[in-house]
Amino acid sequence: GAVVSQHPSRVICKSGTSVKIECRSLDFQATTMFWYRQFPKKSLMLMATSNEGSKATYEQGVEKDKFLINHASLTLSTLTVTSAHPEDSSFYICSARSRVNTSYNEQFFGPGTRLTVL
Amino acid sequence: AQSVAQPEDQVNVAEGNPLTVKCTYSVSGNPYLFWYVQYPNRGLQFLLKYITGDNLVKGSYGFEAEFNKSQTSFHLKKPSALVSDSALYFCAVRALNQGGKLIFGQGTELSVKP
Repeated sequence: GAVVSQHPSRVICKSGTSVKIECRSLDFQATTMFWYRQFPKKSLMLMATSNEGSKATYEQGVEKDKFLINHASLTLSTLTVTSAHPEDSSFYICSARSRVNTSYNEQFFGPGTRLTVL
Repeated sequence: AQSVAQPEDQVNVAEGNPLTVKCTYSVSGNPYLFWYVQYPNRGLQFLLKYITGDNLVKGSYGFEAEFNKSQTSFHLKKPSALVSDSALYFCAVRALNQGGKLIFGQGTELSVKP
């Protein structure tokens, strides 16, 4: 149980294009999903917290117009990198927290999406 | 301010030897602590958590961690390391009153040699 998927696993795009990354909780309902960015062999940087049916909460320094987050249902959140530039190249990871017993449960992480912007 | 520190960027252990990956934290109130492991080009996998109760927590793949309130530590341990344990390990604490947000340590790369 508690599986989170991400699609695509790897994407290469040209500078200036937009890329959408999907995060799905496959066998549970997630009230909250988190989006992280990770640089090579570095810790995860939280970008935003996404609650179903409401606007995402962005961390300081993260451009919300550039990184659009939509949490349309209890099992799906999307991150769209708009007008991507080479410096946006990174490993993007989502996580989901179950709506059940939310006080104590851990986040379940997706496998990540490697974005390369040429 | 709430924070997590992993003082070692890298830990090297011989296969079969015990391993320890260190973590200290700084939070107000009772901490919720987690350990995750990450293999190359993968997301994080949950290993174990401490919420309350017994200070020694047992988790996946033979790992355990000991919560020490006086030393504000939550070190990850395993009695006998395997080569397949080689990975990046993250300690995390749940931030208070922030909707379940986790604060991660900087990560420790564990290398187990045969």
